[in-house]
Amino acid sequence: QQPVQSPQAVILREGEDAVINCSSSKALYSVHWYRQKHGEAPVFLMILLKGGEQKGHEKISASFNEKKQQSSLYLTASQLSYSGTYFCGTEPISGYSTLTFGKGTMLLVSP
Amino acid sequence: ETGVTQSPTHLIKTRGQQVTLRCSSQSGHNTVSWYQQALGQGPQFIFQYYREEENGRGNFPPRFSGLQFPNYSSELNVNALELDDSALYLCASSHGLAGGETQYFGPGTRLLVL
Repeated sequence: QQPVQSPQAVILREGEDAVINCSSSKALYSVHWYRQKHGEAPVFLMILLKGGEQKGHEKISASFNEKKQQSSLYLTASQLSYSGTYFCGTEPISGYSTLTFGKGTMLLVSP
Repeated sequence: ETGVTQSPTHLIKTRGQQVTLRCSSQSGHNTVSWYQQALGQGPQFIFQYYREEENGRGNFPPRFSGLQFPNYSSELNVNALELDDSALYLCASSHGLAGGETQYFGPGTRLLVL
């Protein structure tokens, strides 16, 4: 089943903060976060693994609540370059490294 | 850049035709996953290949098929094209099947079916 992302869209002014949430009904091994700009491929941001390990972007932070199967992506002091659509991809414990993506959260940062 | 390449970048086909999309994985990666991304949606998993074997398949009909070659590049074939097959097709390469492996996406092939 597809993870649920919220909010669907966010509009920020440069320098403001945002939180994007991702929730799954399955037991997860990891959550992967990507950003996609219009007409481009998704770009890897971060992986959060069961057990607390994280790999990824230095300037972006995220959390993974294993009990609730929820992850949140924290974008602080947003920059214009943060604009795009953010997707979470969930990897189930029983999966073979396959990802199921949410519908995305569109973020627009204005000057 | 991820080092994952795809060809062609754009393609226009008519209903009923067949299409082959190609993907070259990042150096050192032996796993390729294919995704279909409709406009305004997240990528939807089609199938994954690991060392030339299919290793998982999403909810797509058999007219979607694939191959992986000894150099780990891959092809996605779609037969009997339908209008709803119009989408961005993405491949992603990764290393192995262990959990938590990063998937790096190629630039995609945009397919339009008329």
